[in-house]
Amino acid sequence: ETGVTQSPTHLIKTRGQQVTLRCSSQSGHNTVSWYQQALGQGPQFIFQYYREEENGRGNFPPRFSGLQFPNYSSELNVNALELDDSALYLCASSLGTPTFETQYFGPGTRLLVL
Amino acid sequence: AQSVTQLDSHVSVSEGTPVLLRCNYSSSYSPSLFWYVQHPNKGLQLLLKYTSAATLVKGINGFEAEFKKSETSFHLTKPSAHMSDAAEYFCVLNTDKLIFGTGTRLQVFP
Repeated sequence: ETGVTQSPTHLIKTRGQQVTLRCSSQSGHNTVSWYQQALGQGPQFIFQYYREEENGRGNFPPRFSGLQFPNYSSELNVNALELDDSALYLCASSLGTPTFETQYFGPGTRLLVL
Repeated sequence: AQSVTQLDSHVSVSEGTPVLLRCNYSSSYSPSLFWYVQHPNKGLQLLLKYTSAATLVKGINGFEAEFKKSETSFHLTKPSAHMSDAAEYFCVLNTDKLIFGTGTRLQVFP
């Protein structure tokens, strides 16, 4: 176990709704990254937060947004859900920006959009 | 462009036989490369990482990988497969973000 926790474990939403996913980072880690893993694919980088500021973003539209709190936990918000947003959402924490730092992954939140 | 290609989507081996999972990369810079494993309903776990030190990298659970710049490869090997090795394996290029390959599903038969 990595010490990274995510909630909820599973979620079902309908198109057009909004969703918030949560991540608690490993103790002492100040960086959180979020990834989307569609079925049968590798994870794709959504964005990263370092000390409460966005520190890099992948090729995802603005309706994917995030927050990092002073305790370094994080939220991923997705507005106007689409069917293609159905995926496993992973967060990973690390100490410092992870150019060479190991990222520790949580078990993920599985989102189904109907 | 920076990318990672995993050459096999599925690999099947018998327990006790060697494992080879193939990965090629494309990078403009000296790469940092990882292998992660994902068991069902579990998070991704780091197996090993290459960061320009020794080209032969040893990881957990008997896995190792060799960085070959001339072949732009970073193949994962294990001398003897165990049933518990059955999982999805991802080759990952580390730039300012992690770039994952599409994964290789390893099946181990008794």
